[in-house]
Amino acid sequence: TQLLEQSPQFLSIQEGENLTVYCNSSSVFSSLQWYRQEPGEGPVLLVTVVTGGEVKKLKRLTFQFGDARKDSSLHITAAQPGDTGLYLCAGAISYTGKLIFGQGTTLQVKP
Amino acid sequence: SAVISQKPSRDICQRGTSLTIQCQVDSQVTMMFWYRQQPGQSLTLIATANQGSEATYESGFVIDKFPISRPNLTFSTLTVSNMSPEDSSIYLCSVGGTSGRYYEQYFGPGTRLTVT
Repeated sequence: TQLLEQSPQFLSIQEGENLTVYCNSSSVFSSLQWYRQEPGEGPVLLVTVVTGGEVKKLKRLTFQFGDARKDSSLHITAAQPGDTGLYLCAGAISYTGKLIFGQGTTLQVKP
Repeated sequence: SAVISQKPSRDICQRGTSLTIQCQVDSQVTMMFWYRQQPGQSLTLIATANQGSEATYESGFVIDKFPISRPNLTFSTLTVSNMSPEDSSIYLCSVGGTSGRYYEQYFGPGTRLTVT
């Protein structure tokens, strides 16, 4: 059974601080997605990483896929209150279209 | 990405009754999925909605409790049958393969269900 361990589960920081969220597995994934979800809405896809070692940047967010495609990280620089939300990593099960989700990280950024 | 709508957005239902949730997509999609989510927690896949055939259910979910229909490539329904308070949750539909990447999913806004 493929599992994704996401950490930390909760994070409360002050505006301007940096943070990193981790997503780890003992299994290899063909790709990994990061989503952000705000209350009352569905998850919104932020990024997809496919190649081992790949790094993608989305403004102040940096996403990295591990060389072995078993882990990923999300780094936010100078967090802002608008970054508040639930962050979810999800690994794709090859050729099925199905995703396995990590437990999620609830981020609160205080002004 | 596809635009996905769900109806109803929320509902409060009595135990023992059933609720049907609709998911409408603005374009034809290959894959549609149904998830359940407790507020603030992660998503659990209920089933894959297959067009023209029976849905494929994940372990712990059965057709009698969560019947799913998918009559065409833009629409699906999930029914929560004989509800109990334990069924109180957010139900989300998603679509996959819209951008040619089978592994990317896009989600509807969700249906928040409370069972009393």
